[in-house]
Amino acid sequence: ETGVTQTPRHLVMGMTNKKSLKCEQHLGHNAMYWYKQSAKKPLELMFVYNFKEQTENNSVPSRFSPECPNSSHLFLHLHTLQPEDSALYLCASSQGQPSSYEQYFGPGTRLTVT
Amino acid sequence: AQSVAQPEDQVNVAEGNPLTVKCTYSVSGNPYLFWYVQYPNRGLQFLLKYITGDNLVKGSYGFEAEFNKSQTSFHLKKPSALVSDSALYFCAVRAIQTGANNLFFGTGTRLTVIP
Repeated sequence: ETGVTQTPRHLVMGMTNKKSLKCEQHLGHNAMYWYKQSAKKPLELMFVYNFKEQTENNSVPSRFSPECPNSSHLFLHLHTLQPEDSALYLCASSQGQPSSYEQYFGPGTRLTVT
Repeated sequence: AQSVAQPEDQVNVAEGNPLTVKCTYSVSGNPYLFWYVQYPNRGLQFLLKYITGDNLVKGSYGFEAEFNKSQTSFHLKKPSALVSDSALYFCAVRAIQTGANNLFFGTGTRLTVIP
């Protein structure tokens, strides 16, 4: 599980705050992903980066802003969030696209928006 | 449209008994199919995948899954359950033909192995 790390593990923020989630992969992968996991709902793919280029944005609100400075690091910048954005945010990486390759997940950041 | 259904929210099985966690899928064309497991306060861990070839796929921790094209199913199985297998299990599918990289996940099945 140390292949993909995420910080912080827990985050509580107000609706007017700005914060960032960080993900780092140590697997030499080329593709990285952000997912949102809410109770009783399927995992929702938010963003995909392949070789640092964003290849997918699944209609995610602009209050979520991803950044991928290199193939090993992925950020999710948060601002003016809503309480319904409270969830577990998971980062994943894979060897490449198209994805017959399995994805490796980090432990997640538990976000609570108050 | 692509989708995955896990019809059981909860599966209980006695330790030592065989276990099955069900998954059915819907895609246009041939699928890539995956099983992941999530332990409390952890991310998802890859268990196994079906891409092509033998319909019976073997994976980590003694798990296996059988791809059944006619029934569009990919059930996860293990011959003898362990208490440590208790976790949340997710099935996922991706259509080979699509240009997108979306993996469609089911809502998960919580497996409880009773000592």
